[in-house]
Amino acid sequence: DGGITQSPKYLFRKEGQNVTLSCEQNLNHDAMYWYRQDPGQGLRLIYYSQIVNDFQKGDIAEGYSVSREKKESFPLTVTSAQKNPTAFYLCASSIQADNSPLHFGNGTRLTVT
Amino acid sequence: QKEVEQNSGPLSVPEGAIASLNCTYSDRGSQSFFWYRQYSGKSPELIMSIYSNGDKEDGRFTAQLNKASQYVSLLIRDSQPSDSATYLCAVPHDMRFGAGTRLTVKP
Repeated sequence: DGGITQSPKYLFRKEGQNVTLSCEQNLNHDAMYWYRQDPGQGLRLIYYSQIVNDFQKGDIAEGYSVSREKKESFPLTVTSAQKNPTAFYLCASSIQADNSPLHFGNGTRLTVT
Repeated sequence: QKEVEQNSGPLSVPEGAIASLNCTYSDRGSQSFFWYRQYSGKSPELIMSIYSNGDKEDGRFTAQLNKASQYVSLLIRDSQPSDSATYLCAVPHDMRFGAGTRLTVKP
């Protein structure tokens, strides 16, 4: 079955460490996205990528980095520069970046202490 | 910055009632609109999409779009306790979501 796989489901890190969240899709979608969700809040766009080897910053890109070396993969690195990294991270993909519905992975809950 | 605004919640309705969720958007270039349902601790799931002005019905759900007013809504008829969730309005043209409206359906 096609879908989006995020791993791990839960991730714990010490403050000051970089951590990479995995996102893989086998839907053959061109566009991929990373969102952050804090408790009781909506989704905030971190980064998005419309094609391989290209990506753009979203509203809250500071302290995060991404790569898009393969169509199927869009990993997100949370760096030590991110002041409040504890959150629920959602990866999504869509056929195209415009006017197509987003399909979400199950999310990664990151806790930094 | 393009914005998507949803009516503030939380919204509480009795079982069997109609729940009405509203959303306004600022990007006039948007051509498609989506409603997602998100249960607590889970990822959003797509429940409705609408592209043209007017109403679109799917089971107990009806999406309404008015591009001139930049307004999209979701009606849930015969609300059930299992409909209790947060509903997110999405405008994929600028990849943004509304903050969500938390709906509680009381038995």
